[in-house]
Amino acid sequence: QVQLQESGPGLVKPSQTLSLTCTVSGDSIRNGVYYWSWIRQPAGKGLEWIGRIYPSGSANYNPSLKSRVSMSVDTSKNQFSLKLSSVTAADTAVYYCARQGFDCSSINCYYWFDPWGQGTLVTVSS
Amino acid sequence: DIQMTQSPSSLSASVGDRVTITCRASQSISSYLNWYQQKPGKAPKLLIYAASSLQSGVPSRFSGSGSGADFTLTISSLQPEDFATYYCQHSYGTPPWTFGQGTKVEIK
Repeated sequence: QVQLQESGPGLVKPSQTLSLTCTVSGDSIRNGVYYWSWIRQPAGKGLEWIGRIYPSGSANYNPSLKSRVSMSVDTSKNQFSLKLSSVTAADTAVYYCARQGFDCSSINCYYWFDPWGQGTLVTVSS
Repeated sequence: DIQMTQSPSSLSASVGDRVTITCRASQSISSYLNWYQQKPGKAPKLLIYAASSLQSGVPSRFSGSGSGADFTLTISSLQPEDFATYYCQHSYGTPPWTFGQGTKVEIK
């Protein structure tokens, strides 16, 4: 059973960099089968996809955050990470990591997010 | 970016009711549509992918339909554990993939 677990500081000061790590168990990132994503959710609001990374290090980011986001992967630790710079109160949210599953059995490839980590609340405040 | 709009934003229903939630994309997305269930304080859980494929382990009372820009999630007989918020999400083309604003299903 694949499980993901987010970790990192729960409080970040404005203008600083938010750093989170997702540890994967029950699957090997190194296998190179899946993309691995970060998604966030402000309190009482909807979900926002932040970006994804492949084991090779290739990444895609949401254009709305692209100038402030970077992701990395450490296959030796079976972890992937998120950095979000110059944070403001608007970045306060629960941050989730998730595996991007897929089905390419037809001529089309369908993608989805499953499973997800339990989420970690990051508050931006001085 | 493709915008996803769900309706209604919330609904009240009783156990045993048939519930339908609608999701509309701002452009055609073929069948690249997923549905998730989220309970308070928990991560979203995948219910349906590719518009109508039931994720393994999800009860058969959940079903999805639609293609193009209009999609529906149906719960055939609402159970107590189904009271939650439901989100649609598209996976069409290149990122970013966006979610609907959510539909909260409450007890009547």
